[in-house]
Amino acid sequence: GAVVSQHPSRVICKSGTSVKIECRSLDFQATTMFWYRQFPKQSLMLMATSNEGSKATYEQGVEKDKFLINHASLTLSTLTVTSAHPEDSSFYICSAQGQGAAAEAFFGQGTRLTVV
Amino acid sequence: AQSVTQLGSHVSVSEGALVLLRCNYSSSVPPYLFWYVQYPNQGLQLLLKYTTGATLVKGINGFEAEFKKSETSFHLTKPSAHMSDAAEYFCAVSAGNQGGKLIFGQGTELSVKP
Repeated sequence: GAVVSQHPSRVICKSGTSVKIECRSLDFQATTMFWYRQFPKQSLMLMATSNEGSKATYEQGVEKDKFLINHASLTLSTLTVTSAHPEDSSFYICSAQGQGAAAEAFFGQGTRLTVV
Repeated sequence: AQSVTQLGSHVSVSEGALVLLRCNYSSSVPPYLFWYVQYPNQGLQLLLKYTTGATLVKGINGFEAEFKKSETSFHLTKPSAHMSDAAEYFCAVSAGNQGGKLIFGQGTELSVKP
């Protein structure tokens, strides 16, 4: 299957700083990428959908000014957590979808963010 | 809109026993259905998926699932559990024309006893 690389796999940052997470499709072009958040022992919650070259669509309750998403190319989307707080600590997972609305999406390996 | 309900947050079976993880869905359009496995601090691995066609879907590692429209179910089974099957399992649904946008169930933690 297709490969999606997420970087970093783990990051620790101080409160008030910003951290950027990258999601790359290595062997296919991803028209659409999705960002999910997972709290410990809980399910994955869709945060936003990003389409290359356009603004991301955020799910209800997700602060777009806090979670900045950029999808500047067909192989890269980034999620920036701005002014991080301890409650932002979570596991963030991206997925990348190829051409076509019904195409399968492939998941990255996730990023464990800890804000201290 | 779509939603998924996984019955049982934790299932425990003995090694060699049948594994049955339950998933019911709700969808206003023909659904695509998925089962994923997640090991601690890792991403998701796709076990199997149903899009159209044959309702009994076979996946990796001996898992299979059957799409039952009348019951709005997509239960995951494996005839004989292995210790390595212990993990978290997620059922997910998407609208057919939005294959990549997934709505996940709450997850079921599978424990396998020796």
